Amino acid sequence: NAGVTQTPKFRVLKTGQSMTLLCAQDMNHEYMYWYRQDPGMGLRLIHYSVGEGTTAKGEVPDGYNVSRLKKQNFLLGLESAAPSQTSVYFCASSSPRDNYNEQFFGPGTRLTVL
Amino acid sequence: GQSLEQPSEVTAVEGAIVQINCTYQTSGFYGLSWYQQHDGGAPTFLSYNALDGLEETGRFSSFLSRSDSYGYLLLQELQMKDSASYFCAVSGNSGYSTLTFGKGTMLLVSP
Repeated sequence: NAGVTQTPKFRVLKTGQSMTLLCAQDMNHEYMYWYRQDPGMGLRLIHYSVGEGTTAKGEVPDGYNVSRLKKQNFLLGLESAAPSQTSVYFCASSSPRDNYNEQFFGPGTRLTVL
Repeated sequence: GQSLEQPSEVTAVEGAIVQINCTYQTSGFYGLSWYQQHDGGAPTFLSYNALDGLEETGRFSSFLSRSDSYGYLLLQELQMKDSASYFCAVSGNSGYSTLTFGKGTMLLVSP
């Protein structure tokens, strides 16, 4: 049982490049989330999904897109990276069948945009 | 608007008791959660309060007062491994299934 995994762990991009971050969970959770964490800012919700094929905007969605084609996967895309998107990105999942407030986090992706 | 306020840093010594406070102003509220994050690691869930009162889980306890929009995390018998950042998070502020996190409190435990 791997829990929540994220790919890649580290990435350096140049301004304007695009990339996709992959999140996978093997806990059969319905809810999945993407956060970014910047120093002194806590965790801010980018997008989330309450089920396969559904997504919704969070607090800071601009510059990002997401897709949830399979229940176990949640993809975060950056179409044209900007230095302001340098951050640590965390994926998380939870289930309404349990305590959905208990979110399980992946190890994070450290992204630097030059 | 929404805001969660918690102290930026707290220091304590091993074996002591420390309380980390969290006050919130949000448009919706279902409950208050606490998460721990060690440096370089991922956040991990500690506790959740939906109703007023104290919830105890081992050395950690969490309290909620809905009427005061206030909660706290109480850590007893502090150990060096408790040095970490602690985040309070509110559910219900922007959707039933989402959490809004505070900026975190860094706890430094010294020998």
